[in-house]
Amino acid sequence: DAGVIQSPRHEVTEMGQEVTLRCKPISGHDYLFWYRQTMMRGLELLIYFNNNVPIDDSGMPEDRFSAKMPNASFSTLKIQPSEPRDSAVYFCASSFPGELFFGEGSRLTVL
Amino acid sequence: GIQVEQSPPDLILQEGANSTLRCNFSDSVNNLQWFHQNPWGQLINLFYIPSGTKQNGRLSATTVATERYSLLYISSSQTTDSGVYFCAVVGGSNYKLTFGKGTLLTVNP
Repeated sequence: DAGVIQSPRHEVTEMGQEVTLRCKPISGHDYLFWYRQTMMRGLELLIYFNNNVPIDDSGMPEDRFSAKMPNASFSTLKIQPSEPRDSAVYFCASSFPGELFFGEGSRLTVL
Repeated sequence: GIQVEQSPPDLILQEGANSTLRCNFSDSVNNLQWFHQNPWGQLINLFYIPSGTKQNGRLSATTVATERYSLLYISSSQTTDSGVYFCAVVGGSNYKLTFGKGTLLTVNP
């Protein structure tokens, strides 16, 4: 079975540009999570969904960040406008619930 | 929220050595997982172990939920075991996985 699929794997953009990260969870999983990893802050939960509904977005750093899950097989995390401090690896993960499985991450660099 | 502490923060081993990594958590948990983040950044599931003991090859894990800790054992370490090992837990009525800061393991040939 395919795991969690994220795209793009790498993104380099300039400050002020819009960034959209995409995630396809494992089929049948009804929980989807977005995490951010930086050296300074480690792994932080940004938002999670259950059955496509956002349950907790308290980790979203500010209004520049938004996430959607229009259906069970697709989610996006958008940053608009992007800033250099948003540079990080963004992970998507899904679960049934129970065991959590991560995608390979999207490495974002904002210049 | 629930606190997760991992020890040691760093560990350097010679190939073939054994090691034990520890994870302490501050409250009762519904879910506990161990992950290995390899040098390429991938987060690999090692164990889903809210309680009890599991083994997978050279790796094994034990969680004593009543005493709020989990241990990850690595035997006969190999250079490919290098990376960061994370413990992560879910506590309470939500489904948020909270991560510890990790143990950076370096296995030298």
